[in-house]
This record gives sequence, structure tokens and C-alpha cells, in this order.
Amino acid sequence: GEDVEQSLFLSVREGDSSVINCTYTDSSSTYLYWYKQEPGAGLQLLTYIFSNMDMKQDQRLTVLLNKKDKHLSLRIADTQTGDSAIYFCAEITPGEAGGYNKLIFGAGTRLAVHP
Amino acid sequence: EAEVAQSPRYKITEKSQAVAFWCDPISGHATLYWYRQILGQGPELLVQFQDESVVDDSQLPKDRFSAERLKGVDSTLKIQPAELGDSAMYLCASSFSTSGNEQFFGPGTRLTVL
Repeated sequence: GEDVEQSLFLSVREGDSSVINCTYTDSSSTYLYWYKQEPGAGLQLLTYIFSNMDMKQDQRLTVLLNKKDKHLSLRIADTQTGDSAIYFCAEITPGEAGGYNKLIFGAGTRLAVHP
Repeated sequence: EAEVAQSPRYKITEKSQAVAFWCDPISGHATLYWYRQILGQGPELLVQFQDESVVDDSQLPKDRFSAERLKGVDSTLKIQPAELGDSAMYLCASSFSTSGNEQFFGPGTRLTVL
């Protein structure tokens, strides 16, 4: 079945780059996503990448996709204390009903940014 | 900026009681999702609507959970009776496209069952 795995915790110093890694299993996923969740809040869509791309850059965020290894990463440049949150990787996969897709999420990586 | 609205934000109930959560998706979004997020885990899809029709409820515990979207706009998720294991965050999301490629989430309802 579908499975998305992430490391659970990452600690970085303010101003450094953060790299959060994810592996997924569904090779037919057309889109892969990164969501951010702050304490007690819902999920904020940060960025996503189409499966025919290797890289996508959006301001401080860089997404790298290695389809061969089914590996996705999110790099945050110049990490700030406001970036402290849980980051979820997700893949889109066909749902039970034809023509409809669903998201499969990893367990999330807690990013802690310290001075 | 358009957002998904959910209420209540927090709910505390005793086991065997009934609870209900409400979601209002972004205007114009035909597809609506309910997810359950257990503490320390990622969200898991419970039910998906396309307009007023359920298109995926394979992970919904139908003996106690029900969901409806009568007019194809806002939606209600109900649990009756609640059990201790139902304590979780219940998240609603919506998307414009039936492919679900961009799902936008509400703030969630944190349920605690005592």
C-alpha cells in the first residue's frame, strides 16, 4: 500500500539551512506536497512539485525530487524562528472511487530552530 | 483571502456522548474532505465529497461516524457515540478540482473524549 516516511525531528541554528527528507512508495504519484503545521493549527500548503520536475524553487524554499529513489526533500534557506513547526510530506494517489485522488501524509518532521 | 472555516475549534465530551463538527469550504470548491489527525501522526482521510455525494468513505468507521453535505456546500461530521480513541484533531479541507491537486485546510477541531 501507499506509505510516506519522514524523519521525526530536526534541530537547526537560526540562519542555517534546513533540509527535511521524505520517501514515498507510489511511483505513479503526479504531485508531491509539503505542508506546514504550527501548534494547534491546520495545515498550510507550502509548495508542491509535479512529478516530471526535478527541482522547484520558491523564495527560501527549494524542493528536490528524485523519482528513481522516490525521495523528496525540502530545503529552507536562512531558517528563522518562525519556521519552527511540523512539516508534512504528502503524495497524491488514486482513491477508492475512480477519478478521485486522495493525499497520503507522512507522520511529520518537527523542525526546531534555536538561536 | 478565502479560507476554510471550521467550528467549534475545541470540543470536550464524555464517552458515549454525541458530537458534531461543522465545515464551510472555500466558495466554489466542489470537493470537500474530512481528515482525522491523531497526535504525533499525519492526517488520514475519513471521507471525501464531490458536491453533495460521498465519493470515498472507505476509512470512515460507519458504525459510529456519519458525514453529510446536503446542499453541496457546508458539511457536518458526527460521531455517536464518542469513544476515548476518537480524541484527535478533525481537519476539513477543500479543493476546486476533482483531482484534489491543491487542498486547502481549515484550522481544525480538537476533540477530547474523557
